[in-house]
Amino acid sequence: GAGVSQSPSNKVTEKGKDVELRCDPISGHTALYWYRQSLGQGLEFLIYFQGNSAPDKSGLPSDRFSAERTGGSVSTLTIQRTQQEDSAVYLCASSLEGLAGGRYEQYFGPGTRLTVT
Amino acid sequence: AQSVTQPDIHITVSEGASLELRCNYSYGATPYLFWYVQSPGQGLQLLLKYFSGDTLVQGIKGFEAEFKRSQSSFNLRKPSVHWSDAAEYFCAVGAGNYGQNFVFGPGTRLSVLP
Repeated sequence: GAGVSQSPSNKVTEKGKDVELRCDPISGHTALYWYRQSLGQGLEFLIYFQGNSAPDKSGLPSDRFSAERTGGSVSTLTIQRTQQEDSAVYLCASSLEGLAGGRYEQYFGPGTRLTVT
Repeated sequence: AQSVTQPDIHITVSEGASLELRCNYSYGATPYLFWYVQSPGQGLQLLLKYFSGDTLVQGIKGFEAEFKRSQSSFNLRKPSVHWSDAAEYFCAVGAGNYGQNFVFGPGTRLSVLP
């Protein structure tokens, strides 16, 4: 398809386990974003990639969270030693990126619903 | 850094009534402005965007928004609401040279009465 895809769509894991969430952006989009949306809450920015580099990691809530992007395309968000407070929907978005930066809208994937038991 | 406020957490309107969702932003220059909609269990969909030019922008599903620089606002409007418009609406601001300067408001939940 032509849109942003994320996998898995749902993930249930036990507290203390590690999880990996995957995002496939729209082909040609150089910018990729991860957000977290807790139940009934707005979007919490986690991390932004421009190409394979992440100039802004300020939103990652703890050192248990990490992300990488390879080949300027697929990105993986890893949460180590998951806690119950990590339960949320994790959204990925991609956009074109030009000299004007934020003028390009973000296209969102359907999200991964993570439940930590 | 820019910020976005959406003063109304939850709004209820009757089907067929008009709608206005408020959005105020804080930024030192003209930002890029967006409205997104998130239907229950769905991802976020772009409704409309403002970059420059005409301050009244038209979007999908019959929505429009007006940029008012003097009020730092970008309110979303629809003349006649449909039951299918019930959703969460997010205002967002993009600015700066890097994509991380893309801030979402807290969202307004719209309920529609039959």
